[in-house]
Amino acid sequence: GAGVSQSPRYKVAKRGQDVALRCDPISGHVSLFWYQQALGQGPEFLTYFQNEAQLDKSGLPSDRFFAERPEGSVSTLKIQRTQQEDSAVYLCASSHRDRGGTDTQYFGPGTRLTVL
Amino acid sequence: GDSVTQMEGPVTLSEEAFLTINCTYTATGYPSLFWYVQYPGEGLQLLLKATKADDKGSNKGFEATYRKETTSFHLEKGSVQVSDSAVYFCALVTNDYKLSFGAGTTVTVRA
Repeated sequence: GAGVSQSPRYKVAKRGQDVALRCDPISGHVSLFWYQQALGQGPEFLTYFQNEAQLDKSGLPSDRFFAERPEGSVSTLKIQRTQQEDSAVYLCASSHRDRGGTDTQYFGPGTRLTVL
Repeated sequence: GDSVTQMEGPVTLSEEAFLTINCTYTATGYPSLFWYVQYPGEGLQLLLKATKADDKGSNKGFEATYRKETTSFHLEKGSVQVSDSAVYFCALVTNDYKLSFGAGTTVTVRA
């Protein structure tokens, strides 16, 4: 079946612009995660959804970052007034069950954001 | 907090060589441990996992054993191929759902 998809794959923004990154999880997956991966680093947790509820947003770096999943499927990560330090690959992952640390998270290909 | 430290790269090997990538962790509670792989131009894929002490995860000829006494989860493969060239990430999750990743190790296998 289809995996996790993300769009766009690449985004170039001028500093100060708003951007929106989309994630389509695997159909039927309850949990959805966003991670940020800086160049040469491992991914770092941003936020977690269980269906449409955002249960954890502790990893969002500032109030310029906002995520939603209004119908419990597709999710959007929005970054307002982008800064150069926001340049990174943004990864989306989904898993079948709610919470459950051993449940495998399936990752999308990521969106590479470059802020000029 | 939880953290993962893995061997710095890059690592360059010849085909059929033995590969080891060291990974150690710090965690509260009893983490589950994972190795993810990122092939060029592709997304992160789960390679193997282990959920309790002394478990051995294995896949595609790779193995890793969960060693609680040394807080380690080293990745090994006995005979690498060019197709194993990728970035390898060690990761853990404890009682919640947040994966904590190491910085990644780039492996290049030459024919």
